[in-house]
Amino acid sequence: QSVLTQPPSVSGAPGQRVTISCTGSSSNIGAGYDVHWYQQLPGTAPKLLIYGNSNRPSGVPDRFSGSKSGTSASLAITGLQAEDEADYYCQSYDSSLSGHWVFGGGTKLTVL
Amino acid sequence: EVQLVESGGGLVKPGGSLRLSCAASGFTFSSYSMNWVRQAPGKGLEWVSSISSSSSYIYYADSVKGRFTISRDNAKNSLYLQMNSLRAEDTAVYYCARDGGQWLVGGYWGQGTLVTVSS
Repeated sequence: QSVLTQPPSVSGAPGQRVTISCTGSSSNIGAGYDVHWYQQLPGTAPKLLIYGNSNRPSGVPDRFSGSKSGTSASLAITGLQAEDEADYYCQSYDSSLSGHWVFGGGTKLTVL
Repeated sequence: EVQLVESGGGLVKPGGSLRLSCAASGFTFSSYSMNWVRQAPGKGLEWVSSISSSSSYIYYADSVKGRFTISRDNAKNSLYLQMNSLRAEDTAVYYCARDGGQWLVGGYWGQGTLVTVSS
């Protein structure tokens, strides 16, 4: 059971827009800690996709965007491409008694 | 170019020990906190341990506390994870990741090293 909750899977056709949610609580996202997103292509290491809720590292297409509100965050991908098919993870920090850096359970994006 | 290269993974029996290493290059290693993150087969990412730039602050996930020890050698640009009393549930790919500030675990990641705990 992950501290941050993501849908197990989402899908969309090429060119469409999809969103992936990341729901936390008052001890993590709701406490003001930043949310970050990673993309993991099949068989590879994770790669930073969005940092600080909505910032893109250089080289990440502007088709990817992030937002945060209250105890939740979202990753949006527009103009879906076949190469976007991957697992996506949100990550934040949790200030509860046994909390530290936490990840969402991951979302598998399928491009139809 | 930032590079992180893990090594030391392999097959070990339950109760055994293993030491992972991560060789860093392309940045000033001594200026950054570093993390270990693992991924069990077919599962999601799990943060394991963090160490600050000067080793002053060290943190562990509850699942490994008391069994794993993180350390670093800034003179050798290297990060380590000593894993003792290994269990089947420790089987995973272990990634070394450079901290990115703002509670960001992995601005950069290594390619990972597989640890398999099995009799």
